Amino acid sequence: SYELSQPPSVSVSPGQTASITCSGDKLGDKYASWYQQRPGQSPVVVIYHDSKRPSGIPERFSGSNSGNTATLTISGTQAMDEADYYCQAWDSSTVIFGGGTKLTVL
Amino acid sequence: QVQLQESGPGLVKPSETLSLTCTVSGGSINTYYWSWIRQPPGKGLEWIAFISYSGSTYYNPSLNSRVTISVDTSKNQFSLKLSSVTAADTAVYYCARLVAVTSWFDPWGQGTRVTVSS
Repeated sequence: SYELSQPPSVSVSPGQTASITCSGDKLGDKYASWYQQRPGQSPVVVIYHDSKRPSGIPERFSGSNSGNTATLTISGTQAMDEADYYCQAWDSSTVIFGGGTKLTVL
Repeated sequence: QVQLQESGPGLVKPSETLSLTCTVSGGSINTYYWSWIRQPPGKGLEWIAFISYSGSTYYNPSLNSRVTISVDTSKNQFSLKLSSVTAADTAVYYCARLVAVTSWFDPWGQGTRVTVSS
């Protein structure tokens, strides 16, 4: 079965750039989406179709997807960005989530 | 804007069937696809199933034999049934909208916590 791998945790200083990776076999041939989940809240999509940003999501969030890796980049990271982030892709008509990455802003 | 709200029992006994409903407001269920996703305590997201407004169903292969998803367009609701539950099915259950197959989930409901315990 298809799997997506994410680092369990990433740390970043306020104002710096955070990068969260998602790896899967030939992931670049699929569309990747990213979700932000703050503690006690429901997930919210921050990137879809590899690099598109929904309305209302700050411009500091961006995404890319090539080869075996999709990357979520947060530029000028703010304290409010501290959350769990999940990548998601499709394997035929099956939904796959990555295991999630806890982003700590310190 | 579309909003989703989960409802159902918060406690289910082992071996029984978990039943949840998602009510869609602010828009018609007669378009798009509608999904269930769960999150065990302290763990990541697990997709369960999704259904089209016309009734086409898609299930997570690991749960397929125990899951049924259905839609009631007259009530603007869709539902989940998970049979033969165990403690491993304890989780927050979310409903969410899919724009299309191979798209993304948006929006999500607030989630409902279900505990499996005797």
